[in-house]
Amino acid sequence: QSVLTQPPSVSGAPGQRVTISCTGSSSNIGAGYDVHWYQQLPGTAPKLLIYGNNNRPSGVPDRFSGSKSGTSASLAITGLQAEDEADYYCQSYDTSLSGGAVFGGGTQLTVL
Amino acid sequence: QVTLRESGPALVKPTQTLTLTCTFSGFSLSTSGMCVSWIRQPPGKALEWLAHIDWDDDKYYNTFLKTRLTISKGTSKNQVVLTMTNMDPVDTATYYCARICASAVGLWFGLWGQGTLVTVSS
Repeated sequence: QSVLTQPPSVSGAPGQRVTISCTGSSSNIGAGYDVHWYQQLPGTAPKLLIYGNNNRPSGVPDRFSGSKSGTSASLAITGLQAEDEADYYCQSYDTSLSGGAVFGGGTQLTVL
Repeated sequence: QVTLRESGPALVKPTQTLTLTCTFSGFSLSTSGMCVSWIRQPPGKALEWLAHIDWDDDKYYNTFLKTRLTISKGTSKNQVVLTMTNMDPVDTATYYCARICASAVGLWFGLWGQGTLVTVSS
């Protein structure tokens, strides 16, 4: 059971917009800690996609955007492309028993 | 160019101790603010943070695994070593090392190694 909750799967057709939610609690996202997002293509290591809630590292297309409100965050992907098919993970910091960096359970994005 | 690479045994037996090495280049762990972390991912499952070490040799561990983990700087200046004792089949996973970036409101994993698959089986 992951500390951060994500939907197991989402899907969309090419060109569409999809969002992936990430729900936390008062000991992580709700405590003011930033949310970060990673993209994991099949068979590869995760790659940083969004940091600090809504910042994109160099090289990440502006089709990817993040937001945060209260105890939740969202990743939005617009203009969906076949190459976006991957697993997406949110991550934050937690001050409860688990402590340290915490991840969501991951969301598998399927491009129809 | 910043790179990280994990190395270690592909197969360990139950109850044995696992030792993994992260060899990195393009940055110095002696530089203020630098941190290196270990994260693992069981096959088909989610990511799990294990531990990290910072430039000042401070160490941080996943509370649930703390008694089994030790993170340290290697004998070489560009290495970080993770040991995990009493390995069990449930510890079968791909183990990643990553460079951490941090701010006042959290930390994130800016760059990852390719990962190394460790299978625990007799």
